[in-house]
This record gives sequence, structure tokens and C-alpha cells, in this order.
Amino acid sequence: EPEVTQTPSHQVTQMGQEVILRCVPISNHLYFYWYRQILGQKVEFLVSFYNNEISEKSEIFDDQFSVERPDGSNFTLKIRSTKLEDSAMYFCASREDGAGANVLTFGAGSRLTVL
Amino acid sequence: AQSVSQHNHHVILSEAASLELGCNYSYGGTVNLFWYVQYPGQHLQLLLKYFSGDPLVKGIKGFEAEFIKSKFSFNLRKPSVQWSDTAEYFCAVNVHNAGNMLTFGGGTRLMVKP
Repeated sequence: EPEVTQTPSHQVTQMGQEVILRCVPISNHLYFYWYRQILGQKVEFLVSFYNNEISEKSEIFDDQFSVERPDGSNFTLKIRSTKLEDSAMYFCASREDGAGANVLTFGAGSRLTVL
Repeated sequence: AQSVSQHNHHVILSEAASLELGCNYSYGGTVNLFWYVQYPGQHLQLLLKYFSGDPLVKGIKGFEAEFIKSKFSFNLRKPSVQWSDTAEYFCAVNVHNAGNMLTFGGGTRLMVKP
């Protein structure tokens, strides 16, 4: 079964450092997403991406965050200057276009720990 | 904006017990409804979904959920749980034809004792 793969599975970083989380969506999918889950809290929407641009973003997705799809396969989330409160599990998801296409396939997540 | 509530944060059951996990959402329009499961150390997996039609939907691993529009609910059920059902369960809502965003509930952590 096709999978969404995420790397790294766990990253520890110092506050203020830049972090890039990588995702390889399912190959025929056209919509890409990042969600995050702070420990003990809800899974929260960050951003959706379609046709090489952001289609929606939440209030969480401020100027410290950016996304891109540099090479047509990887979909990356960059946090420019990490803060302690960015510590969370970050989930990438993708979905295909077309009828019944509201089903997201999620990756296993990247756990970010900011010290 | 829509919101999703899962009232049970932790549920502990013995094997063969019946399961019902509550999910309520707040939105007056047409919604798509989902239950996802996250087994320990694994990714979120779709259990079942409701878009339209029969309000009783059946998913994988013997799970089912019933959409009751008048109660804004989409409760998850399984008649007889197994130890392997130990996981965290998330209800999620997507507003029909209004973008891509899934709104998740807070999750219910289920522990099934062997």
C-alpha cells in the first residue's frame, strides 16, 4: 500500500535554530498538508499546498514557517527560528484529486524537540 | 469555524467488551466525517469515513460509526474489542466543498486489557 514517508523521525534542536522536516507524499497525490500535535493536545492543521502554492493556512502558520516542493517529490516544512513551543509531532499528509478525494493519507510523523 | 469534541479522553476496557467513543461537531452545514486511529508508534490511519448516504458506515477491523445529523454526532462503535485495538482514536470533520482542512477532536486513548 502506498505510504507517505517522513524524515527525520525525531529531531532535537536548540532554540533559534532552523529545522527542515521532509515528506515524500504518495506519487499520484496532488494536495499536500502539514499538521502538528503538541504533546497532549489536538492534531492541528498548519497548511495545505496545491499546484505549487499554499492553498490554506492556519493562524499557527506564521512567518517562521514555510513550505516548498523543491524537486517535485519532496514536500518540506521549514521552521526558520525554532521556539520551545514548536516542540511537537509534525504530520505530513497527502490526498489525490477527484471524487471522494477528501481522504488524507498521513505519514508516521516527525517528532521535533526544541531545547 | 467548526470544532470537534471527543468527550472520553481515556477509556479502559477488557477484551470482548463493547466500545462506543463519542464524537460531536459544531457546524450547521454539510460535513464529511472521519475516524482515524493511531496505533502506538505508528501513523494516523483511516478507520472509516462518511460523506453521504447511509448514516451507518462500516470501516476496517470491525468498526462502525453512525452519523446522527440531529445530534451533530458521529460515534464510533465496535461490538467486541481486542487487545490489538489499543490505540488513540481521532474524530475529524471536513466541511463539504469548503477547502481542505480537517478539524480533529482531541483524541481518545483506548487501552484494552487482555
